[in-house]
Amino acid sequence: DGGITQSPKYLFRKEGQNVTLSCEQNLNHDAMYWYRQDPGQGLRLIYYSQIVNDFQKGDIAEGYSVSREKKESFPLTVTSAQKNPTAFYLCASTPGQGPYEQYFGPGTRLTVT
Amino acid sequence: GENVEQHPSTLSVQEGDSAVIKCTYSDSASNYFPWYKQELGKGPQLIIDIRSNVGEKKDQRIAVTLNKTAKHFSLHITETQPEDSAVYFCAPNTGGFKTIFGAGTRLFVKA
Repeated sequence: DGGITQSPKYLFRKEGQNVTLSCEQNLNHDAMYWYRQDPGQGLRLIYYSQIVNDFQKGDIAEGYSVSREKKESFPLTVTSAQKNPTAFYLCASTPGQGPYEQYFGPGTRLTVT
Repeated sequence: GENVEQHPSTLSVQEGDSAVIKCTYSDSASNYFPWYKQELGKGPQLIIDIRSNVGEKKDQRIAVTLNKTAKHFSLHITETQPEDSAVYFCAPNTGGFKTIFGAGTRLFVKA
């Protein structure tokens, strides 16, 4: 089955620690995205990547970093510089640029205390 | 940039009734109009979409209507069932990489 996997489902960290969220896809999609979702709110774009070794900041990139060394993988690091990191993080992919459906992973709920 | 508004934010209907959610957007270059359904603790999934050259599209109990002149599109669910209870998002797109999602509509279907 083709799709997007995110791990872990739940993640707990202490304040001041960096944490990396995993996102893998086997859809052969060129573009991948990271979104943040807060309770009762819509999705906000953190970073996106059009192709391997390229990525662009979204609307709320401060305190986050990404890499795209392989087409299938787009990990997100939440750094200690992120002021309010507790949220639900969603990874998505599309075949490329254009009006395409976004395919989402199941999400990772990060709690920082 | 694109401004997207969804109404209502919460909708409660009786099982079997119809539900309508409206999405208003500002960017006249938008040409792709999807609706996503998000169940609790899961990622959103596309349920229906429409492109700018079409006014209406239907898939069983779900339909989407588009009014490009007025810059809004709507999700229609008929004969609602308890499993339709979820959060629904609109996400009008111009074909670029950045998509602005609506704030979501929480639909409750009472049995």
